[in-house]
Amino acid sequence: EVQLVESGGDLVQPGASLRLSCVASGFTFSTYAMDWVRQAPGKGLEWVSAISNTGESRFYANSVKGRFTISRDNSKNTLFLQMDSLRAEDTAVYYCAKDGSTVIPRWVDPWGQGTLVTVSS
Amino acid sequence: DIQMTQSPSSLSASVGDRVTITCRASQSITNYLNWYQQKPGRAPKLLIYATSSLQSGVPSRFSGSGSGTDFTLTISSLQLEDFATYYCQQSYSSPLTFGGGTKVEIK
Repeated sequence: EVQLVESGGDLVQPGASLRLSCVASGFTFSTYAMDWVRQAPGKGLEWVSAISNTGESRFYANSVKGRFTISRDNSKNTLFLQMDSLRAEDTAVYYCAKDGSTVIPRWVDPWGQGTLVTVSS
Repeated sequence: DIQMTQSPSSLSASVGDRVTITCRASQSITNYLNWYQQKPGRAPKLLIYATSSLQSGVPSRFSGSGSGTDFTLTISSLQLEDFATYYCQQSYSSPLTFGGGTKVEIK
């Protein structure tokens, strides 16, 4: 069974940094691209970022480009999202998800349970 | 960025009803269109990918169609467990984008 477990969410002040992690199991992690998707409280889904299976290709939403960095450690089956210069509008539940593709992000399933990031002074 | 517009934003239906949700892209996305279901307090779940391919384990009452800019998700006979919010997503080009969602409520 595929499992994705996120961690690292917290309450931080505007301008702070945070690193999210997602540990994967139940599939060959190094074969698949991986994505982060977020959902602000009471709002819809927003795709954030994706990374190819080797880590060579990275993709970002315009709203986070230059502030967030996606990475992965295939030896540890772990996906990361480094979030810098956080803003109030980054407040959301962040989901890690397995992509159906190897390089170019296409569709995501399954998703982790999510980790809450709150940016507030 | 490609904009995805879903309609309606909400609908009320009864068990057994046929339900149709539409999604329109701001430019052609060929068949790179996915559908997700989300229930309150839960992570989303993939229903259909590449316009019409049913994800493993998803009931056959769900189906998808369309091409280019106009797409449809159909639930042939609504069941109690189908009351949820549905999102379309384009994966034709980065950044991937979601529609605003359609909440399906009990009439």
